[in-house]
Amino acid sequence: GAVVSQHPSWVICKSGTSVKIECRSLDFQATTMFWYRQFPKQSLMLMATSNEGSKATYEQGVEKDKFLINHASLTLSTLTVTSAHPEDSSFYICSARNRVGTEAFFGQGTRLTVV
Amino acid sequence: AQSVTQPDIHITVSEGASLELRCNYSYGATPYLFWYVQSPGQGLQLLLKYFSGDTLVQGIKGFEAEFKRSQSSFNLRKPSVHWSDAAEYFCAVGPTGTASKLTFGTGTRLQVTL
Repeated sequence: GAVVSQHPSWVICKSGTSVKIECRSLDFQATTMFWYRQFPKQSLMLMATSNEGSKATYEQGVEKDKFLINHASLTLSTLTVTSAHPEDSSFYICSARNRVGTEAFFGQGTRLTVV
Repeated sequence: AQSVTQPDIHITVSEGASLELRCNYSYGATPYLFWYVQSPGQGLQLLLKYFSGDTLVQGIKGFEAEFKRSQSSFNLRKPSVHWSDAAEYFCAVGPTGTASKLTFGTGTRLQVTL
């Protein structure tokens, strides 16, 4: 099956700094990628949808200036958490949809801890 | 608006016993339904999906799910659970024919006793 790699798997950063998370589709072209956030013992909440070469579409309540998404190529999307604060600590997961669009493949997730 | 309900937050079964995880959905059109499994600290792995056709869907790891339109349900089953099946299970619904903007249920944590 298709592989989506997310990096880093975990990161600890100081409050006020920015953190970049990468999501790569390794063996297929992903025209669309999705970013989810998962709080402890809760479900995944869609944050934004990114299409290659265009601006991301953010879900209601998600601050686009805080969570910068770039999808510059068909195999890479990045999520940058700017000026991170402890409340941004969470598990972030990306998924990539294949061209046919009938299945989404998930990365292994990134555990972000802001101290 | 679409929604997914997984009524059971936590289920414990003995190894070798059968398993059924419940999922109910609310969706205005023909749903595209998924079951994913998540091990601690890991991403999601697709177990199976349903879009159309046979309402009994076979997935990986011996799992199956049955789509019942009249009950708006998509329950996941396994005849005999293995200790390695212990994980978090998520049901999700998406727009017809496309795996975009999935809405997830709150998940069911499965514990397997030996």
